[in-house]
Amino acid sequence: DVKVTQSSRYLVKRTGEKVFLECVQDMDHENMFWYRQDPGLGLRLIYFSYDVKMKEKGDIPEGYSVSREKKERFSLILESASTNQTSMYLCASSVLTVVSTDTQYFGPGTRLTVL
Amino acid sequence: AQKVTQAQTEISVVEKEDVTLDCVYETRDTTYYLFWYKQPPSGELVFLIRRNSFDEQNEISGRYSWNFQKSTSSFNFTITASQVVDSAVYFCALSEANTGFQKLVFGTGTRLLVSP
Repeated sequence: DVKVTQSSRYLVKRTGEKVFLECVQDMDHENMFWYRQDPGLGLRLIYFSYDVKMKEKGDIPEGYSVSREKKERFSLILESASTNQTSMYLCASSVLTVVSTDTQYFGPGTRLTVL
Repeated sequence: AQKVTQAQTEISVVEKEDVTLDCVYETRDTTYYLFWYKQPPSGELVFLIRRNSFDEQNEISGRYSWNFQKSTSSFNFTITASQVVDSAVYFCALSEANTGFQKLVFGTGTRLLVSP
């Protein structure tokens, strides 16, 4: 079974803090994704990566950065957390394919509260 | 531009009722994939089904069935004889060829509440 783990289920930070959210997958997937989930808005893609040290902006990258130093690990960084970044953050991974879509497998999510 | 609409925000049913969750999508691509995910209260999205645009056959898996109709751009999900464990938020999602198939666009989700 695919296993995607996230470092924390719940996190409380203060405005202005630097926040790291970690995601690890154990299936040797090339693709990794970070989404945020907000009520009434569904899941929105923040960043994704299709290889080590490679990254692509998603639909809402402002205020976030990412790091992928190893294939199995994808970090989301909030350089200076703000209250509007209070949300549920979900990580996912999938196989990189060219002519089709592989299924994305999700971690349990991190509920971040910024005070 | 790709878009997924789940017009039903919340549905409440009593156990053993059948329920259909609607999903309407927009895409200019002829090659695309559609997905359904379930998010139980624990928070983790669970993959249910993937369908490509060339396969319009309906699919049945136990109490779950999916009706894909390209003519109406819909990919609806029916749960037969619902159970309390079916209570969750359900998301429909789309990926298409012109984004390299790697990105998913999600609908806003439908919360299903099944009461005993």
